[in-house]
Formats: sequence, structure tokens, C-alpha cells
Amino acid sequence: GAVVSQHPSRVICKSGTSVKIECRSLDFQATTMFWYRQFPKQSLMLMATSNEGSKATYEQGVEKDKFLINHASLTLSTLTVTSAHPEDSSFYICSASSWADSRRDSPLHFGNGTRLTVT
Amino acid sequence: QKEVEQNSGPLSVPEGAIASLNCTYSDRVSQSFFWYRQYSGKSPELIMSIYSNGDKEDGRFTAQLNKASQYVSLLIRDSQPSDSATYLCAVNSASSGGSYIPTFGRGTSLIVHP
Repeated sequence: GAVVSQHPSRVICKSGTSVKIECRSLDFQATTMFWYRQFPKQSLMLMATSNEGSKATYEQGVEKDKFLINHASLTLSTLTVTSAHPEDSSFYICSASSWADSRRDSPLHFGNGTRLTVT
Repeated sequence: QKEVEQNSGPLSVPEGAIASLNCTYSDRVSQSFFWYRQYSGKSPELIMSIYSNGDKEDGRFTAQLNKASQYVSLLIRDSQPSDSATYLCAVNSASSGGSYIPTFGRGTSLIVHP
């Protein structure tokens, strides 16, 4: 159980275009979803936390207008990279929590990640 | 600023040996601790979770937690080349909004050589 599906797994786009990444919880309701970015040989960097039905909370230094996050339902969150540039090329990973009543002991369930290359 | 510290390594051990991975954290009130394994180019996968002081064993893996010392470790017995990966320590802390947000360490690279 607790499967998170992330799509697409790999995308190549031209500079200036927008890319949408989907993250779905397949067999549980994800009250909270996290979006991470990871550059080669670097650690996971939390970009934003999204709760269903409310605005995402962005980490310091992450541009809200560039990385649009929507969490419209308990099973779907999307990250849109707008006006992508080569420096946005990275590995983007979503994760979801099935926390109910703010249980503290639930681990995260990760999607398989999206490798974004901006040319 | 909540911090989770790990030695980046690489930690190199021979096949069959015990690999010991360590992690310290700064938030004294943290209650939930996790170890994830991440292969190159892949997303993390959960290995162990631990919530109480002491040891927790699952197959070849043993997690150890010492809340007084704010220290959590992962032991891998009979290490195999397939265990070669980056191991991420994660600590859950309460956010101002009432939910729990995990903080990840930078990860320790483990290399098991034949």
C-alpha cells in the first residue's frame, strides 16, 4: 500500500516553456504533499509543502511564481515549472503523507521522481 | 533552525561487514525518526522507522535511538554490494500549522566492495 505515482518520469523542454509534473497518491488520501528538488550528488531540498485545499507553503528562496503548486484534491498535487531555464534542470521528487489528525509517526511515501532537462 | 547532521562519507566497507551510519539532530522534542535508502538517480525508499529509545531490528537492519543524546544510527549487518547507496536520516518535527514536517540530513554514501 501507500503508493505515490509521479508523472512524467523524464521530460526535456525548451527554455521559456512550462512543464507540469503530477503527483498522485493511488491508495490513500494524502493530506500533505511535499515537493523536493535534488541536484546531482546533493541532498534533498524541500521546495514547498502543500495541504489539500489550501495554498502551498514555500521554503525560503523558492520562487512562488515560478514553481506553481496546486493540491486540489486529496490524491493529486501538481508542480508547474513556469518559464523554465537550464538552471531549473534537476530531479524533482514529490512525497505524500497519509497523516490523519496530524499523526507524527508516519513516514513519507515518495514518487519515483521527474528528471527535468531544460535545453 | 532544525538540523539533521550526517557524515557525507563515503563510508566504504567490505562485503559481509557491518556498516554503521550515524545521525544527530537538533530539535530536542522530535519524536519520529526514519532511515531512507536512495540509489543514484532514484527516489528515496523507507528502510526503517523508530520512535522509542533503544534498538529496533528488521532483518539485517537495526536502528538505534538515543533521545538524550539526540542521536540515531543504522546498522547494516552482512553488508552486500547491493546495499551501496546513499542513506538519508529524517526527523519529523511539528510545524506551526500543526502538521509534521520531516527534515532530512544530507545523506551518507555507503560503498560495499566485494
